[in-house]
Amino acid sequence: QVQLQESGPGLVKPSETLSLTCTVSGGSISGYYWSWIRQPAGKGLECIGRIYSGGITKYNPSLKGRVTMSVDTSKNQFSLKLSSLTAADTAVYYCARSNPWFDPWGQGTLVTVSS
Amino acid sequence: QSVLTQPPSVSGAPGQRVTISCTGSSSNIGAGYDVHWYQHLPGTAPKLLIYGNTNRPSGVPDRFSGSKSGTSASLAITGLQAEDEADYYCQSYDSSLNWVFGGGTKLTVL
Repeated sequence: QVQLQESGPGLVKPSETLSLTCTVSGGSISGYYWSWIRQPAGKGLECIGRIYSGGITKYNPSLKGRVTMSVDTSKNQFSLKLSSLTAADTAVYYCARSNPWFDPWGQGTLVTVSS
Repeated sequence: QSVLTQPPSVSGAPGQRVTISCTGSSSNIGAGYDVHWYQHLPGTAPKLLIYGNTNRPSGVPDRFSGSKSGTSASLAITGLQAEDEADYYCQSYDSSLNWVFGGGTKLTVL
């Protein structure tokens, strides 16, 4: 059974860059699309973007060039970098496999943007 | 404002049937893209309920069903149970925006 686990800092400062990693266990990262999704407190889900195991990416245009995703097949991990952070980026960040439906998901990690 | 529109809340008594609508447009659901549904309990990972408009993953009770018509889709829950109280989200693909979610619907079991 494939499981995903997000890791990264829980607190980052405004204007800095957030770096999160998702570790995939119980299956190979190869041959699938993998996504990052976030949920601000009290709001709905937003797809940040996706990456194929071969490295092809597609990002949500609303994030205006602040997103970079990468994949490390040797470690069975994929990563998210989100730059120029503001308070509006405070959210629970999830990683998920894209089929194109999202399943499974990680448990999520809360990221707070504050000085 | 979400690309896919869901009612903010629905409610029903135990044993009843409720439906949750998901309304899109000609660039997403109306363009033929599939709709998927998720159940989300606070503090947990969202759970896939329905994929490809009508399909249930293994382990999802047949009390949950999905349908799609035109630019809309619906999730129906029959024989409502207390454990069904959660937030529900629809998801599809939009030709200009990538993958998109509805704003979510909070289901209250009375």
